[in-house]
Amino acid sequence: QVQLQESGPGLLKPSQTLSLTCSVSGGSMNNDVYFWSWVRQPAGKGLEWIGRSATSGITDYNPSLKSRVSISVDTSKNQFSLRLSSVTAADTAIYYCARGTASTYNWFDPWGQGTLVTVSS
Amino acid sequence: QSVLTQPPSVSAAPGQKVTISCSGGRSNIGNNYVSWYRQLPGTAPKLLIFENIKRPSGIPDRFSGSNSGTSATLVITGLQTGDEADYYCGTWDSRLSAGVFGTGTKVTVL
Repeated sequence: QVQLQESGPGLLKPSQTLSLTCSVSGGSMNNDVYFWSWVRQPAGKGLEWIGRSATSGITDYNPSLKSRVSISVDTSKNQFSLRLSSVTAADTAIYYCARGTASTYNWFDPWGQGTLVTVSS
Repeated sequence: QSVLTQPPSVSAAPGQKVTISCSGGRSNIGNNYVSWYRQLPGTAPKLLIFENIKRPSGIPDRFSGSNSGTSATLVITGLQTGDEADYYCGTWDSRLSAGVFGTGTKVTVL
């Protein structure tokens, strides 16, 4: 079965760029049915959808983050990545990667275990 | 702030039933499918219901979903202590062209 695992720096300073990678195992990413997605959750708060990318390169982003976020897919490595620029303390959260589906369906399964990213000077 | 509203908490005794609502609008629940997730403390969310009413393999039929207009509902019957968790609804918002999640509901087993 497909499994996802996030990796990347856990501590950033304000104004730096957050870069996370999600490694996909147990299956190929070459499937246009799925969108490779990122979701985050600040401590004690709810889930926030960040964005997604299809293997074709089509992307969608949360309007509130659109100017700072980029998601890309590398099928040769079975990985996809998140970049979020100009981070502030408000970007401190657990970041999850997940396999998602097309727009009107938009369900996520499976999820990675999550990785905590802290932004602090 | 989320475009989908859920009650902050619900509770019931073991064996009883809880109902969690998810209220949205025409651009989201009104025209797209709803999914539900359970998040146990300290763990990643897990898919419980997709496409309004479907259960992934391994999810017991104690969990059921329904949808009416611009609202969706998750029902948990035969409540167990292991069901204590946060529950989130999710869908696509066609106006925002973005995924959206509900505010989350904490289920407490009394």
